[in-house]
Amino acid sequence: DIQMTQSPSSVSASVGDRVTITCRASQNITSWLAWYQQRPGKAPNLLIYAASSLQSGVPSRFSGSGSGTDFTLTISSLQPEDFATYYCQQANSFPPTFGQGTKVEVK
Amino acid sequence: QVHLVQSGSELKKPGASVKVSCKASGYTFTTYAMFWVRQAPGQGLEYMGWINTNTGNPTYAQGFTGRFVFSLDTSVSTAYLQVSSLKAEDSAVYYCAREPFRLSFDYWGQGTLVTVSS
Repeated sequence: DIQMTQSPSSVSASVGDRVTITCRASQNITSWLAWYQQRPGKAPNLLIYAASSLQSGVPSRFSGSGSGTDFTLTISSLQPEDFATYYCQQANSFPPTFGQGTKVEVK
Repeated sequence: QVHLVQSGSELKKPGASVKVSCKASGYTFTTYAMFWVRQAPGQGLEYMGWINTNTGNPTYAQGFTGRFVFSLDTSVSTAYLQVSSLKAEDSAVYYCAREPFRLSFDYWGQGTLVTVSS
């Protein structure tokens, strides 16, 4: 199975900050990577698919980049509703595997 | 508007069984595969497997064979997850999720909390 490793595990930030989360795959997944946001008590919400494509309805302050094994999710200007946990997930091959999550907390 | 609506929370004793439903609306049910994902308390997301909504053929991830069964009732656009011989470690939130393209999941059910306790 492909292992997905996110860093950091948590980040403290303030409204308006630029936040970057990194995800590394244990092998080449080309651009087959998705990012999800999960608020407490809620289901995950797809933000980015195919590494850099913004899912319909997702604010443009979210962006994704990377290919191969190294990927990044950037929130350009953090909003109050963005305090949540973010997961990357490889979509290259079965079984799909998720990172351990990055919690974005209030500074 | 696409919705996946799951059945409510369950409290079960060890050894019992549970069946979780996931009712789809707003799209043609058989167009997209349905995946199941587990989230243990305070933990991350774990892929359980998926079911082909056209053929009804299920595929189970490692660790989810034997006691876990995926099924469908296409007449009511509903997918089911049944877990038998429940153990305390099966306590988790179970999600269904639609796969519109290559292993990415655009719509999720709200989750069903299954608690296994004596």
